[in-house]
Amino acid sequence: KNQVEQSPQSLIILEGKNCTLQCNYTVSPFSNLRWYKQDTGRGPVSLTIMTFSENTKSNGRYTATLDADTKQSSLHITASQLSDSASYICVVRSGTYKYIFGTGTRLKVLA
Amino acid sequence: DTEVTQTPKHLVMGMTNKKSLKCEQHMGHRAMYWYKQKAKKPPELMFVYSYEKLSINESVPSRFSPECPNSSLLNLHLHALQPEDSALYLCASSQVATSPTYEQYFGPGTRLTVT
Repeated sequence: KNQVEQSPQSLIILEGKNCTLQCNYTVSPFSNLRWYKQDTGRGPVSLTIMTFSENTKSNGRYTATLDADTKQSSLHITASQLSDSASYICVVRSGTYKYIFGTGTRLKVLA
Repeated sequence: DTEVTQTPKHLVMGMTNKKSLKCEQHMGHRAMYWYKQKAKKPPELMFVYSYEKLSINESVPSRFSPECPNSSLLNLHLHALQPEDSALYLCASSQVATSPTYEQYFGPGTRLTVT
């Protein structure tokens, strides 16, 4: 069964600190993996997208890694800001139209 | 322009009403999607249109009726909804290709409340 699992479910950190979110997947066939940021009540916004051959992709303070052998990905946020408070969703694309969504990690950054 | 727009932002409707949600993109994407998202849950795929033809219907009840009048527009017609249909409805678009690098762009969503 195609599945994407994320951990932790929720996370609270202080402003300025770093954090790492995890994503484990069992999806076949694998096309790509992307991380989205979703503010409450808003549509997801893409942060990074990685294909099978890519190990690391950065977008500003966001750095995603992908280990295709162990089927694991992580999203590292550096020097967190209050505006980073959101849900972070890991999505694996399988085939042309099939997107397997993780349940997300809810991040709260405190001043 | 990498924007997907959705109207209205909020919609409150009774169970006997008929309403429509609208989605528009001008990125030349030929695949468009409807998702339903309940609070604290990931989006669930409802429909996929490819080249204005319905490609995927994820066993969605017939009270939801999608329509793709042209390559830029996607509608979702609502009729006789139930309170449990209250959710955030997201529209997305993407290129139709086997390339693994293309993006799926989401709209801001329509918050639907069924009373």
